[in-house]
Amino acid sequence: GAGVSQSPSNKVTEKGKDVELRCDPISGHTALYWYRQRLGQGLEFLIYFQGNSAPDKSGLPSDRFSAERTGESVSTLTIQRTQQEDSAVYLCASSTDASSGNTIYFGEGSWLTVV
Amino acid sequence: GQSLEQPSEVTAVEGAIVQINCTYQTSGFYGLSWYQQHDGGAPTFLSYNALDGLEETGRFSSFLSRSDSYGYLLLQELQMKDSASYFCAVLNQAGTALIFGKGTTLSVSS
Repeated sequence: GAGVSQSPSNKVTEKGKDVELRCDPISGHTALYWYRQRLGQGLEFLIYFQGNSAPDKSGLPSDRFSAERTGESVSTLTIQRTQQEDSAVYLCASSTDASSGNTIYFGEGSWLTVV
Repeated sequence: GQSLEQPSEVTAVEGAIVQINCTYQTSGFYGLSWYQQHDGGAPTFLSYNALDGLEETGRFSSFLSRSDSYGYLLLQELQMKDSASYFCAVLNQAGTALIFGKGTTLSVSS
């Protein structure tokens, strides 16, 4: 596609429910990143995928968070048993490869509200 | 690990020049990047410095001093549309993912 596409754009969920957020990277981009941004805060790195290599999960805040990516296509970020502190915008980004990691292209984000 | 420090807020008037500083600590350095984010929007890439010196792109310039672990973003001829948050970023130790500063909110008034 023309840009990074994320869905849903907005999600309101009840505390304790599981949510899935989807990211469709720019076609041909092998590197994919997930970030979290709480209201008025900076971007927190969550996880990184590069081709078929093992993902870098070092930023995941707890075992309630997981992500998958099939090949070089769509990625899904799953948050289990959501808590109110999970409320944030979840941003996906992609780049051509890891060596281009300084220039990454973000989607519009999925705004998650846990009530 | 990596850490970046930048001012939380900067205010300026239209037509002015503003400089947003960024100091960083990193165990492996691959360059300093700058991103702009308008309220409610996606961050977008502005500039990247791998080597010391000034990089100019239109009204925006970015500077890097590796010996001082310091860089800045210079915005000239400020316009109202420049009101946004600006983030500096460096790659993590593995050289894979960007680690961002907390951002500087720039408010431009008329």
